[in-house]
Amino acid sequence: GENVEQHPSTLSVQEGDSAVIKCTYSDSASNYFPWYKQELGKGPQLIIDIRSNVGEKKDQRIAVTLNKTAKHFSLHITETQPEDSAVYFCAASKDSGYALNFGKGTSLLVTP
Amino acid sequence: DSGVTQTPKHLITATGQRVTLRCSPRSGDLSVYWYQQSLDQGLQFLIQYYNGEERAKGNILERFSAQQFPDLHSELNLSSLELGDSALYFCASSGLGVATDTQYFGPGTRLTVL
Repeated sequence: GENVEQHPSTLSVQEGDSAVIKCTYSDSASNYFPWYKQELGKGPQLIIDIRSNVGEKKDQRIAVTLNKTAKHFSLHITETQPEDSAVYFCAASKDSGYALNFGKGTSLLVTP
Repeated sequence: DSGVTQTPKHLITATGQRVTLRCSPRSGDLSVYWYQQSLDQGLQFLIQYYNGEERAKGNILERFSAQQFPDLHSELNLSSLELGDSALYFCASSGLGVATDTQYFGPGTRLTVL
């Protein structure tokens, strides 16, 4: 089955700096790669996703890049703010409407 | 608010007992997914239903079962509970088209088995 690895497990940055979280996946049949943010006591919330026919996608301060050949994808958060502090999960899926295989998560702390 | 509701929010029970977790998907979503989140295993897919039919099965124990009803709400039944079943259980819902397949997660049910 699909195996998703995520690094780092914890990340601490100063407010205004950039944060990068990286994931690799094993199944070349995966075509859908979402990123979720989970705040304490809440369910995961989708922040951005990318499909295999796209190499990069950006939404304001958040961007995701995908390298299908190398089977890795990354989340980039620029101009970080304290409210970005949360656990971030990457995931991979065969296609739309299929089960998500999650990485172990990255706990991001943004200090003022 | 994702639009997915889960009840109860917390559940405390004893080993050997049986519990039922309930999920109502977002309006219009036909697909429901159940995930288990624990400290050691992370977020793991359990089972998916689409319009009342089982569509995919993940690492779901035989002691666990689920169903989706005609009104599209879903229930996850956990029986013969063990200490290791203590976890957060999330329900997510989605459509199946490319534009509607985003999985939206509910707030979860925290199960504690004593």
